[in-house]
Amino acid sequence: EAGVTQFPSHSVIEKGQTVTLRCDPISGHDNLYWYRRVMGKEIKFLLHFVKESKQDESGMPNNRFLAERTGGTYSTLKVQPAELEDSGVYFCASSQEIWTGAIEQYFGPGTRLTVT
Amino acid sequence: AQRVTQPEKLLSVFKGAPVELKCNYSYSGSPELFWYVQYSRQRLQLLLRHISRESIKGFTADLNKGETSFHLKKPFAQEEDSAMYYCALSEGDSSYKLIFGSGTRLLVRP
Repeated sequence: EAGVTQFPSHSVIEKGQTVTLRCDPISGHDNLYWYRRVMGKEIKFLLHFVKESKQDESGMPNNRFLAERTGGTYSTLKVQPAELEDSGVYFCASSQEIWTGAIEQYFGPGTRLTVT
Repeated sequence: AQRVTQPEKLLSVFKGAPVELKCNYSYSGSPELFWYVQYSRQRLQLLLRHISRESIKGFTADLNKGETSFHLKKPFAQEEDSAMYYCALSEGDSSYKLIFGSGTRLLVRP
């Protein structure tokens, strides 16, 4: 079974540019999470999708970040315009239905974003 | 606010020595606690969760609600245990989002 995949693995952009990160969850997983780790800090939650709906977006830092999950399959996270402090590793994770208790989150390899 | 604290950034031990990675949390409800591990060049993966009460790769962790701790232990460390270990808390609400500690790098020397 293929795991969670993320694209690109690494992105280097200039301040003010736009970047779109993509996450493909494990097939059949309704829950999709975005996290990020900025330099020297802990991994922090950004938002949670259940199928195509945003269940919790309390971790989104500001309105420069836009996440979508059209059709309830893959998700994109767009940063526009990117700032220096957005540099870090962005992780995606997916899990099965919560009500079954199968809440283990499976993580992707991450996208390393560098804003110069 | 919910918080997970891992006081050690780096823990270095010799092969065969006991290991204890500390984790303390602050949460007013009944959280679910996890340990995730990231080996070199691999993705973050679940090591164990407190409700399973399992021993994975020789590691165990007991939830101590009185001390609000969830320390990870292994009696005899192996070189292949060298990795980054993250303690995480889930509120168990409708989101199940994870709140991570800052991580502890375990280095097991030969």
